[in-house]
Amino acid sequence: GDSVTQMEGPVTLSEEAFLTINCTYTATGYPSLFWYVQYPGEGLQLLLKATKADDKGSNKGFEATYRKETTSFHLEKGSVQVSDSAVYFCALRNQGSNYKLTFGKGTLLTVNP
Amino acid sequence: DAGITQSPRHKVTETGTPVTLRCHQTENHRYMYWYRQDPGHGLRLIHYSYGVKDTDKGEVSDGYSVSRSKTEDFLLTLESATSSQTSVYFCAISDGAGAGGANVLTFGAGSRLTVL
Repeated sequence: GDSVTQMEGPVTLSEEAFLTINCTYTATGYPSLFWYVQYPGEGLQLLLKATKADDKGSNKGFEATYRKETTSFHLEKGSVQVSDSAVYFCALRNQGSNYKLTFGKGTLLTVNP
Repeated sequence: DAGITQSPRHKVTETGTPVTLRCHQTENHRYMYWYRQDPGHGLRLIHYSYGVKDTDKGEVSDGYSVSRSKTEDFLLTLESATSSQTSVYFCAISDGAGAGGANVLTFGAGSRLTVL
C-alpha cells in the first residue's frame, strides 16, 4: 500500500538557519503530494502541494519539488524563523482513493532565537 | 477558516464507557474524515465518508463506528472506550476538487480524549 517516510525529529535550528526535512514515498501510479503544518494546540494546515512530477510547491518561503525519479518531496526553507516552530507532515493522495490522505509520522521543528 | 467544529474539544472518560465525538461542517463538502494522532504514528485514518450514509473503514477502524445522516455532521463513536483509544482526534473535510485534481483537506481543531 501507499506509505510516506519522513525524517525523524526533533529538529532544532537557530533562527536564519537553512531547513531541510526529507520525505520519500511509496505509491502506485501518480500521487499528489502535500506538506501540512501543525502549530502548537492547533489542527493541521496545508502548507504547499504538488500534483505532478517536477512541480514545485511553495508558500511562506517554504518549497518542495516533486521528484518522481527519487520518489521524494523534501521540504526546504532558506532562513527559518522562531514562528516556524511546528510539526510538519508530509502526505500523499493517490488516484481513486476517495481523496484520502496518507501521512508521514511528522517532524517536530524547534527554532531558537 | 473553513467552517469545521469538533465537539467536545476535551473529554475524560473511563474504560468501558461509550463516547461520541461530533464533527460539524458548514461548507457543504462531500467528503469527511476522522483521523487520530498519536506520538510516533503521525495521523492515521479511522473512517471516512464520501456522502450521506456512505462510509468506509480506514487503517485503524477496529473499536470505532461512524454515522453520517446529513451532509454537515459526521459522528465518531467508541462503543466501549479503552485506554489504547486515548488520543487526539481530528476531523477533516474536502470537496474533492482543486487545481490539477489535488485534494486539499481542511482540518478541525481536534478533540483530545483521555480514557482512564
